[in-house]
Amino acid sequence: QKEVEQDPGPLSVPEGAIVSLNCTYSNSAFQYFMWYRQYSRKGPELLMYTYSSGNKEDGRFTAQVDKSSKYISLFIRDSQPSDSATYLCAMILNSGGYQKVTFGTGTKLQVIP
Amino acid sequence: NAGVTQTPKFQVLKTGQSMTLQCAQDMNHNSMYWYRQDPGMGLRLIYYSASEGTTDKGEVPNGYNVSRLNKREFSLRLESAAPSQTSVYFCASSSSPGQGAGQPQHFGDGTRLSIL
Repeated sequence: QKEVEQDPGPLSVPEGAIVSLNCTYSNSAFQYFMWYRQYSRKGPELLMYTYSSGNKEDGRFTAQVDKSSKYISLFIRDSQPSDSATYLCAMILNSGGYQKVTFGTGTKLQVIP
Repeated sequence: NAGVTQTPKFQVLKTGQSMTLQCAQDMNHNSMYWYRQDPGMGLRLIYYSASEGTTDKGEVPNGYNVSRLNKREFSLRLESAAPSQTSVYFCASSSSPGQGAGQPQHFGDGTRLSIL
């Protein structure tokens, strides 16, 4: 079983829809949670970063963390064609100055005009 | 604002050839990383350098070597390329993870490497 599970999609939605992307994890020691956006033939770009349970909002994006259920989500409101990309979740485990980052395999999102 | 710069962007090699992938960052980060990304496998850590002068193996180090040339630059070398090393290689950097603080990584745009 992978430490981080993410549905690969693809997920196709019409423009303007609310998108929900999710990851589950098995290691309760993960402390920090991130979402990256990766356009085709580009590197991952940090989108959201959070370290506590609850919600964090940035414009049309909301990151949600539920540590008790080991579940994180990214919501995109009023989705745009420019949001079409692969979204990677990532989690950090910190131990005495060393950090281990584990990535999900990514969910491919297509927003149709 | 360049961030993390990788060269070359594309490369085709024959089995057995060697090459070095270059990475430089201008964010004054202490830590640097090399990943490979393969379909269905996600990002896998090859090597990392927590600070200038130190390097450590990651999840998939076999067939690779690294050099932390200075604080800005971290190179990845394939000594004898094999078809299994065909992949997209990403370099990343971050601030040092202090006690109890996680530091997100910032990525370059990758090197697409094909080995025939």
